[in-house]
Amino acid sequence: EDQVTQSPEALRLQEGESSSLNCSYTVSGLRGLFWYRQDPGKGPEFLFTLYSAGEEKEKERLKATLTKKESFLHITAPKPEDSATYLCAVRGYGGSQGNLIFGKGTKLSVKP
Amino acid sequence: EPEVTQTPSHQVTQMGQEVILRCVPISNHLYFYWYRQILGQKVEFLVSFYNNEISEKSEIFDDQFSVERPDGSNFTLKIRSTKLEDSAMYFCASSLDRQGYTFGSGTRLTVV
Repeated sequence: EDQVTQSPEALRLQEGESSSLNCSYTVSGLRGLFWYRQDPGKGPEFLFTLYSAGEEKEKERLKATLTKKESFLHITAPKPEDSATYLCAVRGYGGSQGNLIFGKGTKLSVKP
Repeated sequence: EPEVTQTPSHQVTQMGQEVILRCVPISNHLYFYWYRQILGQKVEFLVSFYNNEISEKSEIFDDQFSVERPDGSNFTLKIRSTKLEDSAMYFCASSLDRQGYTFGSGTRLTVV
């Protein structure tokens, strides 16, 4: 069964304090690992898709990396506007072929 | 930037009543989805729709649920007889090629 586990559940940072969020996954053949940002009461907003181990993608202060078992979302010098819940999801070759399996998310709070 | 539009943003209904949640996916997308998120829990897959038929559904998507694409632009989720446990945020998503998924802002369904 495809599974996604994110840690930590919550992370509080000071503005400018860099850190990383973890997404561990179990999937029968990875078709894609997706990172989303979700603001309260809103839908997930797409950030990145990663397909193979060693791949990296960057967008502003965010950088996503992928290994065979986990992905990291690195946040460099975060600002208060980066506060949100960050969701990781996978799409595999197994039973959920076209569909995303989500983790519970990491709630990030950045204090000025 | 193209958006997935969902209406209404919030719906309150009495237990046992029927509700229809509406979505306008991105116009050139081919794959359509409904997900839901119970407060404090993971985003969960409900159903996928491709080529005018359901391509996959989860265990949650029982006989009380149905989906339709009545014309070229709308995609609806119907819950025939709502239960208290159906209270959740319902997200519509669409994809051109299953390499990226765009989510709407959601409908908050409250069953009383």
